[in-house]
Amino acid sequence: GQNIDQPTEMTATEGAIVQINCTYQTSGFNGLFWYQQHAGEAPTFLSYNVLDGLEEKGRFSSFLSRSKGYSYLLLKELQMKDSASYLCAVRDGGATNKLIFGTGTLLAVQP
Amino acid sequence: DGGITQSPKYLFRKEGQNVTLSCEQNLNHDAMYWYRQDPGQGLRLIYYSQIVNDFQKGDIAEGYSVSREKKESFPLTVTSAQKNPTAFYLCASSPELGRANTGELFFGEGSRLTVL
Repeated sequence: GQNIDQPTEMTATEGAIVQINCTYQTSGFNGLFWYQQHAGEAPTFLSYNVLDGLEEKGRFSSFLSRSKGYSYLLLKELQMKDSASYLCAVRDGGATNKLIFGTGTLLAVQP
Repeated sequence: DGGITQSPKYLFRKEGQNVTLSCEQNLNHDAMYWYRQDPGQGLRLIYYSQIVNDFQKGDIAEGYSVSREKKESFPLTVTSAQKNPTAFYLCASSPELGRANTGELFFGEGSRLTVL
């Protein structure tokens, strides 16, 4: 079956670093996405990994290990506005562009 | 500006009524999707369409219907057969997956449907 696991909630302090993990078991794999979603709003794209390794984009980095079915999103220099849900999504293999989403991790950044 | 527009943003419906949610995009994307989001659950795929006049069921299509008569438009009808329709509905589109892009999804602002 298709399964994507993320922690439900996390709390971190402003200015600190936080790592949000995602593990997946899917029938196929053609890329992993991280999205940020503020309450009541649309998800916005953060990062994409299709090969093993680390992708860095400003304060945000994302890592992928395909052999372990594992990814993490690293947020540095946390700001209050980073309080949001972070969604891990896997694109299954094949000709379609279907994404399978995890339940999301609600991150609360405290002063 | 290019983007995806969903309407209405908020909608109330009585039990037994059908309701149609609008989704329009001017990004020239071929593929469009409808997801449903419930508290504590991830986004679940209802229907998707990779090309005009063609669409496929997602994981939770029962009680929903769609059409794709135009590239820009992908309306979703929530029928009275949907047992638990109260949810946040998200429409998305994506370019064709290729070397120059990741095929990421671009989302609309969402429509929150409440059944009274």
